[in-house]
Amino acid sequence: QQQVKQSPQSLIVQKGGISIINCAYENTAFDYFPWYQQFPGKGPALLIAIRPDVSEKKEGRFTISFNKSAKQFSLHIMDSQPGDSATYFCAASMEGDYKLSFGAGTTVTVRA
Amino acid sequence: DAGITQSPRHKVTETGTPVTLRCHQTENHRYMYWYRQDPGHGLRLIHYSYGVKDTDKGEVSDGYSVSRSKTEDFLLTLESATSSQTSVYFCAIRENTIYFGEGSWLTVV
Repeated sequence: QQQVKQSPQSLIVQKGGISIINCAYENTAFDYFPWYQQFPGKGPALLIAIRPDVSEKKEGRFTISFNKSAKQFSLHIMDSQPGDSATYFCAASMEGDYKLSFGAGTTVTVRA
Repeated sequence: DAGITQSPRHKVTETGTPVTLRCHQTENHRYMYWYRQDPGHGLRLIHYSYGVKDTDKGEVSDGYSVSRSKTEDFLLTLESATSSQTSVYFCAIRENTIYFGEGSWLTVV
């Protein structure tokens, strides 16, 4: 059973638009929430990560929003570019547990 | 690339044959992992290691075994490959967070 549920499975956005990917979890012991970006034929690469002591973290055009009470977190890609076309995975882990549980992934396609 | 090398990168094998995938790291990381990636399932942990000869099971360990006789090498073995083990296999290491290798594409026919 997947501990982190991710939606949507895929999305298409126009260049310059906003891509939003949502993840939900049940285990309240999770305290580290990274997002990974994966291009075809490559391994996933860490994009941005957040801990539950903050509600938002921004790095360039990528923002994580975190809602601890709802046990949800989301990735926003602002001003989406064709080079952002990739598969994105959310993940979670607990303090002292050096393993990540992943969501199923979202394939983002940015149309020029 | 976190100094991770996976081999082979691509392999086609027949059902029932043994297969070993190798992960080699150059930076003396203690934690190493094997994940598999399948459509609709994301990345699922097969086995992981927290030191030489120290390994533990992940969520999808059935049909797989691992060995770590040296810090730098973590081997994943499919004792008798089945078609359900056709997948992309990623090795990873932990340095503050988890970093992945480039993947090994395995097809079992």
